[in-house]
Amino acid sequence: RKEVEQDPGPFNVPEGATVAFNCTYSNSASQSFFWYRQDCRKEPKLLMSVYSSGNEDGRFTAQLNRASQYISLLIRDSKLSDSATYLCVGWGKLQFGAGTQVVVTP
Amino acid sequence: GAVVSQHPSWVICKSGTSVKIECRSLDFQATTMFWYRQFPKQSLMLMATSNEGSKATYEQGVEKDKFLINHASLTLSTLTVTSAHPEDSSFYICSASRLAEAKNIQYFGAGTRLSVL
Repeated sequence: RKEVEQDPGPFNVPEGATVAFNCTYSNSASQSFFWYRQDCRKEPKLLMSVYSSGNEDGRFTAQLNRASQYISLLIRDSKLSDSATYLCVGWGKLQFGAGTQVVVTP
Repeated sequence: GAVVSQHPSWVICKSGTSVKIECRSLDFQATTMFWYRQFPKQSLMLMATSNEGSKATYEQGVEKDKFLINHASLTLSTLTVTSAHPEDSSFYICSASRLAEAKNIQYFGAGTRLSVL
């Protein structure tokens, strides 16, 4: 089993809608988690960090569920510019998930 | 702040040649630098962790004699792909963590696309 697993998607989301997806992890020693977004053929860019139960930044909300070992990312009021692949990673063992592709459509 | 520069951004080379990739933290000192490889539609795979002044720690399955890492200063790490072959063609990305920031955030370089003919 991979240490970090993500639903690859794609999640096709109408503009203005809400989308949420999870990332499950197997390494319970990971203390902090991060969501990055990666545009096609570009480097990952930090979106949010999650150190405790959750974090909110504008339209983005990340939740950490240690009991069930997953982190989630919710995007409200989706914009066309939110179209990207979203990668999660846990610190401790630097394993990135394969990413969840989000496609926001007009 | 927290800009990481990676150079070159694109390399095309013949099989058997060696390719050197540089990763620089431009406006901060990096405790640790990381080297990743990403194949199309796959996740970033950590190749090695590099600390200034010490030997890099390689992940299982990564040949240290094939992928030479030098971390000479707190702002520069280099990855040399020795005797590159077509199967080494990939997207190589470095990242760095700030010395003064204990939050484990990684700042990524723009990546290097290596194509070995």
